[in-house]
Amino acid sequence: GNSVTQMEGPVTLSEEAFLTINCTYTATGYPSLFWYVQYPGEGLQLLLKATKADDKGSNKGFEATYRKETTSFHLEKGSVQVSDSAVYFCALRGPGTASKLTFGTGTRLQVTL
Amino acid sequence: DTGVSQDPRHKITKRGQNVTFRCDPISEHNRLYWYRQTLGQGPEFLTYFQNEAQLEKSRLLSDRFSAERPKGSFSTLEIQRTEQGDSAMYLCASSQDRGPYNEQFFGPGTRLTVL
Repeated sequence: GNSVTQMEGPVTLSEEAFLTINCTYTATGYPSLFWYVQYPGEGLQLLLKATKADDKGSNKGFEATYRKETTSFHLEKGSVQVSDSAVYFCALRGPGTASKLTFGTGTRLQVTL
Repeated sequence: DTGVSQDPRHKITKRGQNVTFRCDPISEHNRLYWYRQTLGQGPEFLTYFQNEAQLEKSRLLSDRFSAERPKGSFSTLEIQRTEQGDSAMYLCASSQDRGPYNEQFFGPGTRLTVL
């Protein structure tokens, strides 16, 4: 079945540092890939997505590229801010008619001044 | 539209009691999903509806769990004879039916604590 593996957290960075959160997946065919973010006390929000190989999703300075050869979708940001502190979830949705999302375990990011 | 809403936000119950949660999706969304999230884990799919039809159920959804969406709008998730292992955050999401790439919008969740 489908599965998503994320790097374990927490990840603690100083403001303006470079961020990478690794995500790899297992799926048949060509899934769609997502990053969701959960800010403290709030619901899950879609951060970015990519629907086919080599697509790059981007939003709010975050980027992730769909790499089919390495089955990866790593999240990056060049300069993090304190306001980026949150839990980040990598997820996939299988091809075809499947609608459900399969999530990774989440990575907590804490950014300090 | 204020997004997906869930009620209650928190529920504390004693083992063996029944509980019911409600989800109101975004009004024009015809797909509705339920997920469960335990501490330190990502959300796990439970079930989903297209309009009033329940199209898929996870093996996580035991016989004690039932979900309905009677008029294709709001949905309820009932847990009978709750167990301590049912303690979790129950998330609802909704999306439009326009091909396979539609964003799922999540509600704030209902946190269930079973004592």
